[in-house]
Amino acid sequence: AQSVTQLDSHVSVSEGTPVLLRCNYSSSYSPSLFWYVQHPNKGLQLLLKYTSAATLVKGINGFEAEFKKSETSFHLTKPSAHMSDAAEYFCVVSGGSQGNLIFGKGTKLSVKP
Amino acid sequence: DGGITQSPKYLFRKEGQNVTLSCEQNLNHDAMYWYRQDPGQGLRLIYYSQIVNDFQKGDIAEGYSVSREKKESFPLTVTSAQKNPTAFYLCASSIRGDGEQFFGPGTRLTVL
Repeated sequence: AQSVTQLDSHVSVSEGTPVLLRCNYSSSYSPSLFWYVQHPNKGLQLLLKYTSAATLVKGINGFEAEFKKSETSFHLTKPSAHMSDAAEYFCVVSGGSQGNLIFGKGTKLSVKP
Repeated sequence: DGGITQSPKYLFRKEGQNVTLSCEQNLNHDAMYWYRQDPGQGLRLIYYSQIVNDFQKGDIAEGYSVSREKKESFPLTVTSAQKNPTAFYLCASSIRGDGEQFFGPGTRLTVL
């Protein structure tokens, strides 16, 4: 069975410092992995996706994630945080019943001026 | 513009009433989904549909019902049997069942 664990429920950084949001997954086969972002009272927007091509995936707004099969991780990073990055981030793995997506519980990112 | 629309944005309901949330997409996607979001819980799948006139229960289908009479529409009814319906509801669609999903803006339902 597939599952995903976001290791931090809340991360706080200062503007201009690096961002690291951690995600571990469990899958019985090579999964597709996604990161989505949600601003308050909005829908989810896709940041990036991994689908068994390059292990380093670049997304929108300067975010990137690295797929590490040996560590079953797919951590999200950004070199320099911006105030507009403050939001909730979801790590997602494919492979639920009939191929549905399975969502982590989310990490809320706060950015201090 | 292609996308997914949900209406209304905010919805208030009295206990014991059924209410229907609208979801429409013009992306020509085959698959559509309904999720419920509660603080700290992530997204939980209520129902999904891979094709017109067919749908399956997700993880928390009790107290909800859906229909899929048209490809572009997937309304969700929250019935009086749902014990704790106050939540944020998100609709999504995808080209196929295991790919990237596109989300609507959500409907916040409050039971008074």
